[in-house]
Amino acid sequence: SQTIHQWPATLVQPVGSPLSLECTVEGTSNPNLYWYRQAAGRGLQLLFYSVGIGQISSEVPQNLSASRPQDRQFILSSKKLLLSDSGFYLCAWSVGTLKGQPQHFGDGTRLSIL
Amino acid sequence: AQSVTQLGSHVSVSEGALVLLRCNYSSSVPPYLFWYVQYPNQGLQLLLKYTTGATLVKGINGFEAEFKKSETSFHLTKPSAHMSDAAEYFCAVTAPNYGGSQGNLIFGKGTKLSVKP
Repeated sequence: SQTIHQWPATLVQPVGSPLSLECTVEGTSNPNLYWYRQAAGRGLQLLFYSVGIGQISSEVPQNLSASRPQDRQFILSSKKLLLSDSGFYLCAWSVGTLKGQPQHFGDGTRLSIL
Repeated sequence: AQSVTQLGSHVSVSEGALVLLRCNYSSSVPPYLFWYVQYPNQGLQLLLKYTTGATLVKGINGFEAEFKKSETSFHLTKPSAHMSDAAEYFCAVTAPNYGGSQGNLIFGKGTKLSVKP
């Protein structure tokens, strides 16, 4: 069966520090991968999605970037964190070859910026 | 383009009462529809989905939803609420034949369900 792993579960970082959040998927090949941010009272915001290695689409302009160095690895990064980057970050995957498939989510990373 | 509206950001019911969470969608093509549940500090878990075929869809934990094209609705119901149902629920839509962002879901803003003893 397929599983998705996100780490770390919680992270406290100072303003201006770098960020790297990692997400890996097991048990499937060539998945679509997604990064979301969930801020209090604002629902889910799609940040990035990827349909293949090295292919990244950004949904909103921001201080963050994403990379997909391997088929089942998705990394969210920042060179300098802002206070507004605080939130709950979720990684998700869906079957890559079929449209309209449900997304399956990791357990999330709670990021607090001080 | 697609959009989702969830009526009521907070819903409170008594244990054993009917749960009804409302979702209306907008889509220019036949939609695929989903309900997710999120417990505190966890990711989203798929409750059920509608793609094609039977319009009444049964999911996990006793939940079900009915796709009503004429009303552009996909409301989530459960006959008898349990304390463990307290969580946030998200409705989502995607258009399987829509070009561009393959498989991307459009989420509603969520409804927090409280269950009183």
